Parts: sequence; structure tokens; C-alpha cells
Amino acid sequence: NFMLTQPHSVSESPGKTVTISCTGSSGSIASNYVQWYQQRPGSAPTTVIYEDSQRPSGVPDRFSGSIDSSSNSASLTISGLKTEDEADYYCQSYDSSNLWVFGGGTKLTVL
Amino acid sequence: EVQLVESGGGLVQPGRSLRLSCAASGFTFDDYAMHWVRQAPGKGLEWVSGISWNSGSIVYADSVKGRFTISRDNAKNSLYLQMNSLRVEDTALYYCAKDSTLGAGWPSGYNWFDPWGQGTLVTVSS
Repeated sequence: NFMLTQPHSVSESPGKTVTISCTGSSGSIASNYVQWYQQRPGSAPTTVIYEDSQRPSGVPDRFSGSIDSSSNSASLTISGLKTEDEADYYCQSYDSSNLWVFGGGTKLTVL
Repeated sequence: EVQLVESGGGLVQPGRSLRLSCAASGFTFDDYAMHWVRQAPGKGLEWVSGISWNSGSIVYADSVKGRFTISRDNAKNSLYLQMNSLRVEDTALYYCAKDSTLGAGWPSGYNWFDPWGQGTLVTVSS
């Protein structure tokens, strides 16, 4: 079964930059698009990155996404961290067998 | 503005059934595939099921295949999830989500979820 692995938690100070990784278990992560969703406590997920590196309108350019084929991973980078960025972040991709797959989620603490 | 409002959740005993609904507005409902995604308490997201714009293609996660049935009524702008033989492990917040992409070739890696409703809680317990 295709799986996406994320770190359980990351923490960083306001104003700094943090990167959250998402590693594919098999195949090439570059074969299908990767999305990133932000979920604040008590709220539904919202999209912060789609199609590997695209930002929906309204998402600040402090959020960026990338793919590294050499490590079979995707990354979400948030620069100029703000306390409002504190949330759970999920990567998501697609696999022809398992269809839509989510990573386990990463809790971002901004302290 | 796209709105998705789920309903139908509640407390149900193991082995019983429940039907969830999702009322959609703010977009042309019959242009888009739709999905159900769930989140167990304190856990991550799990895709459950998806249905194409015309109900011609329907897919399920292995964890619910044979027990859950997704359907839609384009005349009523509504999505449904019939859940039978419920198990304790089906306890979760169930989100309705609009598919991201117009066009043929569904399902594919070009499809993702945006936006999501606020969810309806299903608790399976004796």
C-alpha cells in the first residue's frame, strides 16, 4: 500500500522558517500531484498548496511547496512564521491502487 | 461562495446503519465529482469514498468497501453516504468535500479536495 510519511510534530519561533516533509513509500512521488492542507483546531482542512507548488488565492506567499525526486519527498515551507500558522498540516497525493492518500499529519507549534 | 453542509451524524450502535447528507451550494454541483473524507477523534484524515459528476464512476477505500454506499442527487444538489454494518472504528467526523477539477479522466492524480464542509460526527458505540 502506498503511504505518505510526515514528521509527527515540528516547532519553530515566530519569524523563522520551517519545512515539513512528506515522503512517499514507493514509486515516484513526482508521478502525481501533492497537495498540502492546513487544519486549525476545531476547523475543517483548507488548501494551502495544490499541484505540488501552487498557492490558492488568499494564501500568503510565505507558503511554498516543492518536490524532491531524489528523496521521493514533497516539502511545505513556511517562512516568516506567525502564531496564526500554528495548525496541523497534511500532505495528500494519489495512487492508482489506493486512490487518494493522506500523510499522517504534522503538528506545527509556533513558540 | 461554495458551501457544503453535512448532516445526519449521531450516536449509533455497532452493526446498525446511518445515512449522511451533504447539501451543496454556490457552484454548479453536477459539474464536479464529490468525496467523503473522515477523521477519527485525535487522528489524521482518511479518504472514504468518491463519486463522479454523473455517478458513472464510484470508488471506495478498502476499509469501507461493501459496507458504505455513496450517491448523489444532482437535482437536489446533494451528496449522500449510506453507512451499514457500522463498526466502532468508523467513529469519526465525516467531511463532505468538493473535487477540485472539472473534466474527464476521473479519478486521477489531478483531483483533490477543495473546499470541505464542517463535518458531521458519527459515533459508533454500544
